[in-house]
Order: sequence, then C-alpha cells, then structure tokens
Amino acid sequence: EVQLLESGGGLLQPGGSLRLSCAASGFTFSSYAMSWVRQAPGKGLEWVSAIVGSGARTYYADSVKGRFTISRDNSKNTLYLQMQSLRADDTAIYYCAWRSGWRDFWGQGTLVTVSS
Amino acid sequence: AIQMTQSPSSLSASVGDRVTITCRASQGIRNDLGWYQQKPGKAPKLLIYTASSLQSGVPSRFSGSGSGTDFTLTISSLQPEDFATYYCLQDHNYPWTFGQGTKVEIK
Repeated sequence: EVQLLESGGGLLQPGGSLRLSCAASGFTFSSYAMSWVRQAPGKGLEWVSAIVGSGARTYYADSVKGRFTISRDNSKNTLYLQMQSLRADDTAIYYCAWRSGWRDFWGQGTLVTVSS
Repeated sequence: AIQMTQSPSSLSASVGDRVTITCRASQGIRNDLGWYQQKPGKAPKLLIYTASSLQSGVPSRFSGSGSGTDFTLTISSLQPEDFATYYCLQDHNYPWTFGQGTKVEIK
C-alpha cells in the first residue's frame, strides 16, 4: 500500500525558514519523480516543485523559485522541501504527491502558517 | 509557463443534471491532462488521466475528452456525492499548472 506522510508544518513569522518532510512507502521511491503541491486557505491548488527520481533535476513554480529547495534522500525514502524567506502568502496546506499516469497518490498534507 | 483557463468557476446544478467543465491550455499539451475532484478537508482525488482515461474505481458517469488545447470533463448524471470542486492539471511540462477550479453546488 502506497503511503505518503508529510511532517514539519507549523506557525512561523514572515522571513522565517522551515523544512517539510514526506516519508514514502509502498513503491520504489527512487524510480519516480515527486512533487509538492500547496493550497492556501479557501483557494485553489498550486503546484510548487518537483524532483526527478535520481534527484539530478529540480523544477519550481515562479512563486517560490529562489526561496524553496526540493531534495530527496532515496536511502530514506524521504522527500524534502526547504522553505526560506517565507511570506504570508506561503500560508497553505502542503501536499506531497506521487503522480505517474494512472498512479496518483497524495499525502494528508501539512499546514504551514506564516504570520506575525 | 503553460496557463490553464478553467470554466466556469462555479455552477449550480440539480441531481441528475449533465454537467460540463472545460479547460483550455495556452499552448498544445497533447493529452497530458488530468481531472481531480476535491472535497473540503480532503486531498484531491484523480478522476481522469491522459485526458480521457477513467481512473480505476471512478464511476463511469465521469468522462473526459479533448487533446491539444481544449479539454472537457463531463458528469453525465450528477449525484449527491459529486458536489465538490474540480480541477484540471497539465503535466505536459514543468512547471505543472492547475486550472482555477470549478465549484459544483446544489441548485
């Protein structure tokens, strides 16, 4: 059974930093690209970032480029999102997602709140 | 980045109605499009992948069509459990982009 379990969310002030983690199980983690998707309160879905299976290539939405860094540790089956220079508009539920054709799995999400 | 324009942003419909939601891509994306359903407090659920393939376990009243730039999600006979928000997602290339969402409400 595929499971994706995010952790690391919390409340922090503007300008702060946070690292999210996503522990994956039930599939060959190192073989697949992984993504982060977020959803601000009452708003739509926004794709944030992705990383290929080897970790060699990463991709970002313009809204987070230069502030967020995606990475993975294939020995630990874990995906990360390092977030810096956080702003109020980064407040959202952050989902870890594995999507490959019909294979589509999401975590339960972790809430990040940026507020003074 | 490819822009996805989804319409309408909301609609009111009755049980049994036929509902159509559209997404238009700012450039051709072949059939690299998925449709999601999201209910409050839940992660999105994939309904359709590669524009027209029905995800396993999804009722056959859901269907998708289109290729290139214009795509449609159709619910042939709306059921009470279908009241939710629907999103398209292009995964033709990075950055992936979602449509703005369509909230389907009870008339």
